Amino acid sequence: DVKVTQSSRYLVKRTGEKVFLECVQDMDHENMFWYRQDPGLGLRLIYFSYDVKMKEKGDIPEGYSVSREKKERFSLILESASTNQTSMYLCASGWDTQYFGPGTRLTVL
Amino acid sequence: AQTVTQSQPEMSVQEAETVTLSCTYDTSESDYYLFWYKQPPSRQMILVIRQEAYKQQNATENRFSVNFQKAAKSFSLKISDSQLGDAAMYFCAYRETSYDKVIFGPGTSLSVIP
Repeated sequence: DVKVTQSSRYLVKRTGEKVFLECVQDMDHENMFWYRQDPGLGLRLIYFSYDVKMKEKGDIPEGYSVSREKKERFSLILESASTNQTSMYLCASGWDTQYFGPGTRLTVL
Repeated sequence: AQTVTQSQPEMSVQEAETVTLSCTYDTSESDYYLFWYKQPPSRQMILVIRQEAYKQQNATENRFSVNFQKAAKSFSLKISDSQLGDAAMYFCAYRETSYDKVIFGPGTSLSVIP
């Protein structure tokens, strides 16, 4: 079974803090993705990576950056968290089919 | 740009009955994938069913089946013999065969009434 894990299920941060969300997959997938999920908007792609050190902007990259130093690990970074970044963040990996992590519910106060 | 529409934000079904969730999409491509994902409350998103556009036969996975109408750009999900565990948010999704990005619809929240 494919396993995608995320570093935290729940996270509370203050405005202006730097936030790291980490995702690890164990299936040697080249493609990894970060989404945010908001009610009524579905999933929106923030960034994706198709190889180590390679990244591409998704639909809503503003305010975010990513890092992929190892194939199994894909990190999402909020350089200076803001309240409008309060959301559920989902990581996924895979090519034909995407496999999702459990999600991180981030609250920015 | 490709878009995915789910016109039913919420639906409910009686246990053991059948329900159909609607999905339409917009694309100019001829080859692509379509997916239904299920996200139970506070649980992980999982793939329910997948359809390749070049296949005319509708995909089926146990109690889940799709009605894929390529010309109409419609991809509905039918759940037969609904169970309490089917209660979840369901997302329809689209991906071109040659491109990494997946486009998700806004989701349909399904409730199952005992």
